[in-house]
Amino acid sequence: GENVEQHPSTLSVQEGDSAVIKCTYSDSASNYFPWYKQELGKRPQLIIDIRSNVGEKKDQRIAVTLNKTAKHFSLHITETQPEDSAVYFCAAPPDTGRRALTFGSGTRLQVQP
Amino acid sequence: EAGVTQFPSHSVIEKGQTVTLRCDPISGHDNLYWYRRVMGKEIKFLLHFVKESKQDESGMPNNRFLAERTGGTYSTLKVQPAELEDSGVYFCASSQDSRVRAFFGQGTRLTVV
Repeated sequence: GENVEQHPSTLSVQEGDSAVIKCTYSDSASNYFPWYKQELGKRPQLIIDIRSNVGEKKDQRIAVTLNKTAKHFSLHITETQPEDSAVYFCAAPPDTGRRALTFGSGTRLQVQP
Repeated sequence: EAGVTQFPSHSVIEKGQTVTLRCDPISGHDNLYWYRRVMGKEIKFLLHFVKESKQDESGMPNNRFLAERTGGTYSTLKVQPAELEDSGVYFCASSQDSRVRAFFGQGTRLTVV
């Protein structure tokens, strides 16, 4: 089945710095890659997603890049703010025979003011 | 448009008791997923419904867990009898299609004592 690895598990940055979280996946047929943000005690919220027909997508301070050859994708947050502090999860699309997202292990991002 | 709703938000039960969790997906979403997050770890897949049918239940930990989705609308997840290791946050998510955006409910925090 699909295997998703996410790094780092924790990340601390100063306010205004950039943060990068990386994920790798195993199923070369995968074609949809979402990122979720979960604040403490709240539901995971979809913040950005990308399909395999593009290499990069941006939404204000958030961007996702995809390298299909290497089977990895990354989340980039620029000009971080304290409210960016949360756990971020990448997810890999359904693999053959199963159609639910497989999630990475999560990255706890702490933005220091 | 109402989002995915889950009930209850919290549940504390004793080992050996039964608990039933409920999920109401977004109206019109045929795909409904149950996930669990234990001890701040990754979001792990439990099972996937397409309408009232179980598409994939490979993530269900054992036969103490029973999920239903009668009529293809809301779903219930029953744990009977509950064990200490069942403690965690149970999330429900729904999507229109299995390969597009999934939206999460706020979760049910289950504590087995």
